[in-house]
Order: sequence, then structure tokens, then C-alpha cells
Amino acid sequence: ETGVTQTPRHLVMGMTNKKSLKCEQHLGHNAMYWYKQSAKKPLELMFVYNFKEQTENNSVPSRFSPECPNSSHLFLHLHTLQPEDSALYLCASSQDWTSATYEQYFGPGTRLTVT
Amino acid sequence: SQKIEQNSEALNIQEGKTATLTCNYTNYSPAYLQWYRQDPGRGPVFLLLIRENEKEKRKERLKVTFDTTLKQSLFHITASQPADSATYLCALPTGTASKLTFGTGTRLQVTL
Repeated sequence: ETGVTQTPRHLVMGMTNKKSLKCEQHLGHNAMYWYKQSAKKPLELMFVYNFKEQTENNSVPSRFSPECPNSSHLFLHLHTLQPEDSALYLCASSQDWTSATYEQYFGPGTRLTVT
Repeated sequence: SQKIEQNSEALNIQEGKTATLTCNYTNYSPAYLQWYRQDPGRGPVFLLLIRENEKEKRKERLKVTFDTTLKQSLFHITASQPADSATYLCALPTGTASKLTFGTGTRLQVTL
């Protein structure tokens, strides 16, 4: 596997379910990100982890819970979501958090539908 | 906060022509700006970064300009091909460290 991988690629869940999204990067990067992309809206940064430590929480509702056990893996735990949370969830990584001159490498995304 | 404006209407051009996409921002001029390409159902792919002291940056058929006076970046694809059809996003650093704010993107459609 190369680059940034995400599983599952598609997920349909009810509002009372609990599910998790997984992201893995094989680039040796130290920073990892979760973004939400809704139709007709720009990418919204949700969380940033640098060296496993959360450095940014962009006022995300608590029904989204991130976890970063090591620099290569990032999870997004989902519970009691709302239909408006349906979107493409993208994971990205970059060399580190200290400068945005480092480009971000994105995974293919998880298409989430909340019913 | 920084507001980024990209033409939300799709840009349709004929193969072989030059496509020009615009990214305007409203507040402070960033030290650099990034351009990404996104295909349907996929994550964005980094294309180019241009710094404020670089008026122009080139990579193969791609050219980016950065005018801090106009608060604008232009993204050009010369000799466009149908394979260039995608959505192109510009992104600027805002706030802390490597936090990027993305525009909504402009969809480019290159026809034969």
C-alpha cells in the first residue's frame, strides 16, 4: 500500500449507530488531518494531529471523536450522527504541522450517508 | 477570517486551448498559496505551491501566478486535454501553522 488509504470507502449508517473511519498513511509523515467535504461547500478542516497530539479541533461536534494511536494511523469515531453529517470525509497527511508550505496528501475519502 | 473565491460555474474549453482559473482572496495576503486537483469521488492531489515573492511558477503545462496587489492567483493549463477535466482548488494558509483554507473549486471540462 502506498500513500494514504482510507476504509471503508462507503458507509451507510443510521442515526443511532456507532461506526469508525480508518486512515493510514505510508509516507512517514508526522501530521494527519480529517476534513469534511459537503456538496457545493469547500473542504472543512475538522481535526489535526501532529506527532499523535491533537493540535486543532475546529469546533467539531462531540459526536465526532478522533483518535490517533501513532503517526501512521488516524481514526474518526462516529456516534448519533445527523443526516446533515452525510458527506465525503477525507484524511490527509503532511510532513509536519509547523508549516503549510508542506503539501498535503489526501486519501480517497469515505462517502458517508446518514439515514 | 480569510475568504477565498473561485468561480463556482464550470469552465468549458476546447482541447488544445489554454484554461485559466481564478482564485481571489479577501483579507491579508498569505505567504504562499497552493493549488490542488480533485477528481469526482477522490481526494485532492497537490499540484503547485507559489510563494508571495514568486510572481510565476511553472510545472510542465501548468503555470500559476500570484498577484498580492490584486489579491489573486491565476492557474493556467496550456494545450489542455480531456484528461485535465477535474475540479481545481486553491488553498491558503490561515491561522496557525499548516492550517489550510480551501476554496470551493472550479470545475474544468475540456472537450474534443
